[in-house]
Amino acid sequence: DAGVIQSPRHEVTEMGQEVTLRCKPISGHNSLFWYRQTMMRGLELLIYFNNNVPIDDSGMPEDRFSAKMPNASFSTLKIQPSEPRDSAVYFCASRGANYGYTFGSGTRLTVV
Amino acid sequence: KNEVEQSPQNLTAQEGEFITINCSYSVGISALHWLQQHPGGGIVSLFMLSSGKKKHGRLIATINIQEKHSSLHITASHPRDSAVYICAAPSGGGADGLTFGKGTHLIIQP
Repeated sequence: DAGVIQSPRHEVTEMGQEVTLRCKPISGHNSLFWYRQTMMRGLELLIYFNNNVPIDDSGMPEDRFSAKMPNASFSTLKIQPSEPRDSAVYFCASRGANYGYTFGSGTRLTVV
Repeated sequence: KNEVEQSPQNLTAQEGEFITINCSYSVGISALHWLQQHPGGGIVSLFMLSSGKKKHGRLIATINIQEKHSSLHITASHPRDSAVYICAAPSGGGADGLTFGKGTHLIIQP
């Protein structure tokens, strides 16, 4: 298995633009998590899905953030409109039945 | 919700030294995770443990469930071990996912 695949690896965008981050979890993993990492706050949970259903989005900072999981092999995190304070590394992780987590390589987002 | 504390925050050591990183958490858990992150890199899961001790190469992780404490040890440390080591525990309180410690920045000097 290629692991959790995230794209793009790096994204530089201008303030106000829409940004879409993508994640392909490990096949057979039923849970998917989106985390954000910043120097100030470390790693924080944004939202997670069980069996493609969003369970808890209380970590999503504002209405500008939205996430979808249309099927078991794909999820997106969208920011519209983006702001400089959204600059961070965004990680996707999937979890299997044994509760082990596998993280993607992350997307480094810079909003200028 | 679980609170995870790690120490030390920063650690610089010489090659070959024995390294210990500590982690404590506030809410009883089923398993604790140790993660590794190299500068600018992704996050790699090192261990998931619910009791006792696990060993992988030069890395050893231990956990004391009663005391809500875990340690990560590195024997015969090497410059390639330089990374951020992160302890993570289930968030608890009805929330799924992990709560992370702030990480230990480890530098091993040749």
